[in-house]
Amino acid sequence: KAGVTQTPRYLIKTRGQQVTLSCSPISGHRSVSWYQQTPGQGLQFLFEYFSETQRNKGNFPGRFSGRQFSNSRSEMNVSTLELGDSALYLCASSLRTSGSIEIGNEQFFGPGTRLTVL
Amino acid sequence: GESVGLHLPTLSVQEGDNSIINCAYSNSASDYFIWYKQESGKGPQFIIDIRSNMDKRQGQRVTVLLNKTVKHLSLQIAATQPGDSAVYFCAERTGFQKLVFGTGTRLLVSP
Repeated sequence: KAGVTQTPRYLIKTRGQQVTLSCSPISGHRSVSWYQQTPGQGLQFLFEYFSETQRNKGNFPGRFSGRQFSNSRSEMNVSTLELGDSALYLCASSLRTSGSIEIGNEQFFGPGTRLTVL
Repeated sequence: GESVGLHLPTLSVQEGDNSIINCAYSNSASDYFIWYKQESGKGPQFIIDIRSNMDKRQGQRVTVLLNKTVKHLSLQIAATQPGDSAVYFCAERTGFQKLVFGTGTRLLVSP
């Protein structure tokens, strides 16, 4: 079974631009969560989508948004990029919502998209 | 590969030693905890989890211990191997059903 895939793997943008990142979850997984990873702040939760609905949201400004399609693939968008948005953006998928601690519902992470804002 | 963290605490061990990685969590209401391993250039990989109604859980070469009294979690790796070199994160599921990750510990295993 293929793992979580993210595209693109690397991206360079300039301040003020906007960017869209894509995540394809493991087949059959309906939940996709997005995280931002930086050396200073570590791994921080952005939002989670389940059955095309945003289920949970972290403490990020409205410039960060996302969506999920009927095939569970998800995209996240960052508008008006700032230098501080440079980070590794990770998505993770699970069968059910990430809040469920049922056996077999662990999150599987993709390799991430490295975004550099110049 | 990507730099996961420039200022992470580092644990250096010799191959064959047992490693213990510690994590202090913040929320006494957290009911579920996970350990992840992240190798350079890769996303975090699930290692083992534990629910708050347990104090110990064992996997293959790994054991997680939970001390709710002092809000402390530890990951023990038996017979550490060079392939275990990575950054290890603990995560807690808070009352808002979000996963909150710790800052991570870098494990370096020397042959």
